[in-house]
Amino acid sequence: KNQVEQSPQSLIILEGKNCTLQCNYTVSPFSNLRWYKQDTGRGPVSLTIMTFSENTKSNGRYTATLDADTKQSSLHITASQLSDSASYICVVRGGFKTIFGAGTRLFVKA
Amino acid sequence: AAGVIQSPRHLIKEKRETATLKCYPIPRHDTVYWYQQGPGQDPQFLISFYEKMQSDKGSIPDRFSAQQFSDYHSELNMSSLELGDSALYFCASSSGRETYGYTFGSGTRLTVV
Repeated sequence: KNQVEQSPQSLIILEGKNCTLQCNYTVSPFSNLRWYKQDTGRGPVSLTIMTFSENTKSNGRYTATLDADTKQSSLHITASQLSDSASYICVVRGGFKTIFGAGTRLFVKA
Repeated sequence: AAGVIQSPRHLIKEKRETATLKCYPIPRHDTVYWYQQGPGQDPQFLISFYEKMQSDKGSIPDRFSAQQFSDYHSELNMSSLELGDSALYFCASSSGRETYGYTFGSGTRLTVV
């Protein structure tokens, strides 16, 4: 079982709608959690990085939350755009480990 | 299920030597990504390949080169190694045709002495 589990695996939404992606982890100890947006074949773009003491962090239409007690994070995308179609990867660092989630593939349709 | 295989798991090289890291993607995955993670740092994207062609380039030094072969495995060649190249090198694979499924390897830990 992966130490970083993302859900859903894929998601299709209409342009303009909101969506929330989930990341649950068991990595311990915990250092930080980062959300990346990655287009197929392209390098990832860092959206947010959150440490233990941070609960919410926003970057434009992206808002990430972190509950260090339940070891859950979410990425909320507001007013989705066609360009939001990509994979969103959750990466958790803890101690000497860096564990990548498998990603959620988001499709935004007109 | 088969995962992304990276070899070797550990590698120790001296300064100015060369190193070759290998990545074998999930079967039927046509896209490979390379990342470098220095001690205490977050992963940095190096380069990616799609269908054996370079598709994107990140912070890869000129001393490094990479390619994807006909069987979709990829090799990262590193020359004139420097102490600062000591890092964990991750490889990931995906398929452009699937709706999900980035899979990361366990990494190769390179130590330059």
